[in-house]
Amino acid sequence: AQRVTQPEKLLSVFKGAPVELKCNYSYSGSPELFWYVQYSRQRLQLLLRHISRESIKGFTADLNKGETSFHLKKPFAQEEDSAMYYCALSGRISNFGNEKLTFGTGTRLTIIP
Amino acid sequence: EADIYQTPRYLVIGTGKKITLECSQTMGHDKMYWYQQDPGMELHLIHYSYGVNSTEKGDLSSESTVSRIRTEHFPLTLESARPSHTSQYLCASSGGLLYNAGELFFGEGSRLTVL
Repeated sequence: AQRVTQPEKLLSVFKGAPVELKCNYSYSGSPELFWYVQYSRQRLQLLLRHISRESIKGFTADLNKGETSFHLKKPFAQEEDSAMYYCALSGRISNFGNEKLTFGTGTRLTIIP
Repeated sequence: EADIYQTPRYLVIGTGKKITLECSQTMGHDKMYWYQQDPGMELHLIHYSYGVNSTEKGDLSSESTVSRIRTEHFPLTLESARPSHTSQYLCASSGGLLYNAGELFFGEGSRLTVL
């Protein structure tokens, strides 16, 4: 069974301070990890995926298979980063592709001005 | 404009009523999904579809049913609603010509309250 754990339901950070949103997973195979974000009054949307190794809106996330973690980081928080963040995992399903996602419970990030 | 639409956004009904939550997308996507989310909890996949006439149950057991008669349309039905069905239901889609693995496009959600 695959599982995603986000230990922090709430996280408050001062503007300009570094941000780290924690995500741990359990999966016996080769996982693919994603971060989704939901801004106030907007829909849930993809922020970044680990296979792309990209930085989106200043956020990065590195897959650490030894620690089974995929923490989301940003060196300097901005007020517009306040949102709900969900970590998601996709195990490889041969006949369906990689969109059958398992989500964590989410972390509500609040940036304090 | 390409989008994914859910109706109704909010629904309050009495126990025993039959309800259908509508989901339509004009994204040109072949795969569609229904997730259920209780406040403060994770999203649970309850149904998904590869394409027309294809439906599968997700990881969370649900008393709801779905159909996929048209590519664009993926309605969810509860034959007899109960208070335990009170939740938010999110519809999503993926695939198409500009497909990126793992990218789901979500609707705004339908918040159901059963009294």
